Order: sequence, then structure tokens, then C-alpha cells
Amino acid sequence: GAVVSQHPSWVICKSGTSVKIECRSLDFQATTMFWYRQFPKQSLMLMATSNEGSKATYEQGVEKDKFLINHASLTLSTLTVTSAHPEDSSFYICSTRRLDSPLHFGNGTRLTVT
Amino acid sequence: AQTVTQSQPEMSVQEAETVTLSCTYDTSENNYYLFWYKQPPSRQMILVIRQEAYKQQNATENRFSVNFQKAAKSFSLKISDSQLGDTAMYFCAFMPIFTDKLIFGTGTRLQVFP
Repeated sequence: GAVVSQHPSWVICKSGTSVKIECRSLDFQATTMFWYRQFPKQSLMLMATSNEGSKATYEQGVEKDKFLINHASLTLSTLTVTSAHPEDSSFYICSTRRLDSPLHFGNGTRLTVT
Repeated sequence: AQTVTQSQPEMSVQEAETVTLSCTYDTSENNYYLFWYKQPPSRQMILVIRQEAYKQQNATENRFSVNFQKAAKSFSLKISDSQLGDTAMYFCAFMPIFTDKLIFGTGTRLQVFP
């Protein structure tokens, strides 16, 4: 069964609004989660590392004020795209793992900003 | 910085035949992990196979096997007895040891024809 749950799977929002994406680990604690972004027909690019109880670590070129990450509990990390614009339209996917097991990915969220 | 290169944007193979997807990477590290992920149209990331750099023996997983050439920094995926369900995007990925961060290649779109 699913190990990582991501919600919503698809969201459309108007330009200027904010969108929150959730990533949950099911039946285990995840102190670290990763957020990736995938443009159409392109590869996955790591955006940030979400750390439970502390600030996220962002990759170079990723605006931390634009992509707010909160990891307030051991089973939930959220990515908020603030003041979304059409260029933020993309596929966002999270990953994490149980101890001593391979990484698992969420099913991803397709964001369309109109 | 580590990079992963997949030089084949698209590949096709007839059902039951064998196909090899290529991947090269660049790193100055000695210990790391390499992965092949499959992304079907559902966009779910599925782990196909994993290789530890310190292991000389090539990893195998049923119909999937790799040819890991550490000195050449090459990590190709061989799919034997191809099935229609193998049709997907395939991403090669690099992971530095002691992290869970994945660096993906640009992907190879594989089409299996009946």
C-alpha cells in the first residue's frame, strides 16, 4: 500500500493566490522530507529539504519566500506556493523514507495557475 | 557538483525484446548510490533498481539489470523480455552517501510496441 500520501493530486488556482500541498508519511515518522518540481517533459529537480522542527533547506535558485515549507509534525510536511503565477504551474512531488528502506514518493500534485 | 546525463531522449523496443538505457554521471565522491526510476503516465515514481557504488556486483531485479562501470561512471539499465507495461519515462538518479537527496537525469522515454 501507499507509504506516502500527497494531497491534492490536482489543483487549479488564480494568479496571485496561494496554494498549499500536503505530504504525509503513513504509519511512520519522517523527520526529513524532500520536495521536487517537475516541469512538463522534464526531469525532477530538488527544491528543498524539509526538516521536522526546524527550517527547511532550499536548493540554490529556489525562492524560500515563494515556496514556504512547514514540517510541524513527524508525519506532515506542507509546501505553500505563495502568490502563485502561471510560471509556477508544474508538477510537485514529495519523497521520504522509512528507516533502512528505499525512498518513497507521493503521487504528486499538478498545479495549474491561471 | 554531481550531474547525471541520459543521452537517449526516446527509445523503442518490441515486446519480448531487450533494450538498454544509458546513463552517465559525474562525481568526485567514492561512495554513493545509483538508481533507476520508472515514471508511467500516472507520474508515480517507481523504484526499478538500486546500486551501491561500493559493490562491484551489478544489481539485478527480475527482468531488470544494470551494467555499473564505476571507473567510467556509467550505469546502464537493461530490460529483458520487454512488456507493454514497461512503457514509461525512465530516470537515472544519483544519491550521495549519507543523504536522501536525488539528482536526476533528464529521462528516457521508452515505448514498448506489441
